[in-house]
Amino acid sequence: GAGVSQSPRYKVAKRGQDVALRCDPISGHVSLFWYQQALGQGPEFLTYFQNEAQLDKSGLPSDRFFAERPEGSVSTLKIQRTQQEDSAVYLCASSWQGRDYGYTFGSGTRLTVV
Amino acid sequence: AQSVTQPDIHITVSEGASLELRCNYSYGATPYLFWYVQSPGQGLQLLLKYFSGDTLVQGIKGFEAEFKRSQSSFNLRKPSVHWSDAAEYFCACEVGGSQGNLIFGKGTKLSVKP
Repeated sequence: GAGVSQSPRYKVAKRGQDVALRCDPISGHVSLFWYQQALGQGPEFLTYFQNEAQLDKSGLPSDRFFAERPEGSVSTLKIQRTQQEDSAVYLCASSWQGRDYGYTFGSGTRLTVV
Repeated sequence: AQSVTQPDIHITVSEGASLELRCNYSYGATPYLFWYVQSPGQGLQLLLKYFSGDTLVQGIKGFEAEFKRSQSSFNLRKPSVHWSDAAEYFCACEVGGSQGNLIFGKGTKLSVKP
């Protein structure tokens, strides 16, 4: 597609529920990244994929967070047993080959845990 | 640890006036530096980036930024602001070798007075 597509745009979850957030990167983009943006803050790095390989997951805040990209295109960020502190906008970005080609961000999924 | 500081949380300028948004980074070597803009409910759009070479970088929408190693700064400028420039602006740096692991500042919200 023309841009990075994320779904759903908005998600309300009850505390303790599991959620799955989807990212469709730009076709052909090798690199994919997830970020978490809390209200009033800048985005914070969560994880990085190159094709299907998860090369960096240093930013995942706990073992409740899990990301996958099984076929090297679409990616899913899963949060188990959601907590109120998980409320944030989750941004996905993709890139053809890394920083030299720039990172294109999606519009994000706003997760609210009640 | 690496960090990015945007000292101004909120700036208001009159339409047609010049603009400078400040950004300071903390990193031993020269990082890769970016400026992004985020409109409400939208993802991040890349304005410009600096990797090496000429320290004055031109970007989209008439923006430019200057890298000053001695001041660890990468300030964003625009000679004449338009009402459509009202948005939140984020400065970010990427440590070499950490693909896509951008460290963002907390952002500066720009309001434009008619």
